[in-house]
Amino acid sequence: AQSVTQLGSHVSVSEGALVLLRCNYSSSVPPYLFWYVQYPNQGLQLLLKYTSAATLVKGINGFEAEFKKSETSFHLTKPSAHMSDAAEYFCAVSGSSNTGKLIFGQGTTLQVKP
Amino acid sequence: EADIYQTPRYLVIGTGKKITLECSQTMGHDKMYWYQQDPGMELHLIHYSYGVNSTEKGDLSSESTVSRIRTEHFPLTLESARPSHTSQYLCASSDFADEKLFFGSGTQLSVL
Repeated sequence: AQSVTQLGSHVSVSEGALVLLRCNYSSSVPPYLFWYVQYPNQGLQLLLKYTSAATLVKGINGFEAEFKKSETSFHLTKPSAHMSDAAEYFCAVSGSSNTGKLIFGQGTTLQVKP
Repeated sequence: EADIYQTPRYLVIGTGKKITLECSQTMGHDKMYWYQQDPGMELHLIHYSYGVNSTEKGDLSSESTVSRIRTEHFPLTLESARPSHTSQYLCASSDFADEKLFFGSGTQLSVL
């Protein structure tokens, strides 16, 4: 069985500051991990995914995430926040490579202050 | 342009009505999914399909039903809507060889 826990339902940063969104997972099999972003009134978009090729994964819009097996974590970071990064971010896990059946976390709303 | 479309975007109806939420994709994907999302909560998979005439229930039990008569179309139906069905419904699709999901903009359903 898999599960995902996102620590912090709301995160607020200043423009230009580091963004850190936390995600911990539980999986009985080697996990596939994802970060999705949802802008207001839009569907979810894939930011990045981990599929065991490399522990540091680079995604779109300057985001990256590091898979740490010892900590069962997959935190999302961006060195410098932009106003346009304000959105809701979802971490997700899958135990299979291509079923598309994802287990999502509850989401973290990122607020970026000018 | 290849995309995934959901209609309506918002729907407010009375209890007991039958409703169908539409989802269509023009990406040629074999796999399609319906997720349910309550505010501040996780997305939960309620239905999925790996091809025409193939439908399965997801992890979260739902009174809704789905059909997959055409590859590009995956509608969700509630025979008798109730206030407990109030939620956001997100449709998604993916290629058979890839786990990357493409999501529609969602339907926000409110049952009074």
